[in-house]
Amino acid sequence: KAGVTQTPRYLIKTRGQQVTLSCSPISGHRSVSWYQQTPGQGLQFLFEYFSETQRNKGNFPGRFSGRQFSNSRSEMNVSTLELGDSALYLCASSSTRGTQGEQFFGPGTRLTVL
Amino acid sequence: AQTVTQSQPEMSVQEAETVTLSCTYDTSESDYYLFWYKQPPSRQMILVIRQEAYKQQNATENRFSVNFQKAAKSFSLKISDSQLGDAAMYFCAYRSASRPFGGSQGNLIFGKGTKLSVKP
Repeated sequence: KAGVTQTPRYLIKTRGQQVTLSCSPISGHRSVSWYQQTPGQGLQFLFEYFSETQRNKGNFPGRFSGRQFSNSRSEMNVSTLELGDSALYLCASSSTRGTQGEQFFGPGTRLTVL
Repeated sequence: AQTVTQSQPEMSVQEAETVTLSCTYDTSESDYYLFWYKQPPSRQMILVIRQEAYKQQNATENRFSVNFQKAAKSFSLKISDSQLGDAAMYFCAYRSASRPFGGSQGNLIFGKGTKLSVKP
């Protein structure tokens, strides 16, 4: 099976712009979680989707949003980018909901905001 | 809220030697999972080992083993016969077994990580 894929791998944007990141989970996985990783804050949970519904949301401003499609692919969007949004954005998928199932991570999208 | 603490920001080990990475966590729950994830430089995060809290036996995966002390809320990772390929960031993570979607902290609560260097 192919692993979790994320596109694009690298992205450079300027302040005020918006960005959309994409995540394709492992085939058959219905749960997708997003994390932001920075040197200072470590790994922080953004949100989780299961069967096209957002099940969980972390403590991030409303500029961060996401969605999941019927094929389980997920996108996250960040509007009005700020310098502090520069980070590695990780997507993880699992086969079952909630507490069951290991999470498999993608390679991440490195976002740089100038 | 649950917290995970990794008190060693950086560790170093000689190739072929053994190293132990520390992790403590705080929870009022009795049923949960603990994980160690490895993130090599510029590479994907992968699961190294997992431990179910209800199991008293410590998990082992080849050269990787854990010392799970439930009462002390401690979950250390031991890497035996260290190899150059073990150099990476190691993250300890907690997942509740009783709250399906984890709440605002999400399914996996991570520590800050320990950067492991392996000297040839």
